[in-house]
Amino acid sequence: KAGVTQTPRYLIKTRGQQVTLSCSPISGHRSVSWYQQTPGQGLQFLFEYFSETQRNKGNFPGRFSGRQFSNSRSEMNVSTLELGDSALYLCASSPDPSSYEQYFGPGTRLTVT
Amino acid sequence: QQQVKQSPQSLIVQKGGISIINCAYENTAFDYFPWYQQFPGKGPALLIAIRPDVSEKKEGRFTISFNKSAKQFSLHIMDSQPGDSATYFCAASINSGYALNFGKGTSLLVTP
Repeated sequence: KAGVTQTPRYLIKTRGQQVTLSCSPISGHRSVSWYQQTPGQGLQFLFEYFSETQRNKGNFPGRFSGRQFSNSRSEMNVSTLELGDSALYLCASSPDPSSYEQYFGPGTRLTVT
Repeated sequence: QQQVKQSPQSLIVQKGGISIINCAYENTAFDYFPWYQQFPGKGPALLIAIRPDVSEKKEGRFTISFNKSAKQFSLHIMDSQPGDSATYFCAASINSGYALNFGKGTSLLVTP
């Protein structure tokens, strides 16, 4: 089975712009979670989707948003980018809400200049 | 605040030795404790996980020890190999693995 895929892998944006990142979960997986990884804060939970509904949200400002499509693919959007948004954004998929295991993709490295 | 505290921050072990990484948590509602391994340029990969109803779980050279009363759990890597050199993260969650709370990570270097 193919793993979680994320596009693009690398992205450079300017402060004030917005960005959209994409995640395709493992085939058959219907839950998708997003995490931000930075050297200072480590891995932090952003949000989680199942059946096109956001079920959980981490402690991030409203500039961070996401959605899930009917085919379980997910996108996250960051508006009005700040320098501090530079990070590795990771997507993880899981079969369904009753499953504990989360499988991560390679991430999208976002650099804000 | 950091809900899962991980130590040490870095670790150097000789080939064939035992690598031990420790984590502590406060929230007694956590019911799932996975360990992830991350190589540079890759996403974290699920290594092994434990639920609080068991005190130890072993998979190959990797063992999780879990102490519910002390609210601590640890990863032991037996017969450590240079290929094990990576960053290891412990995590904890409530209710079916969502919103994983990660430790800060341990950078492991296994020398030949």
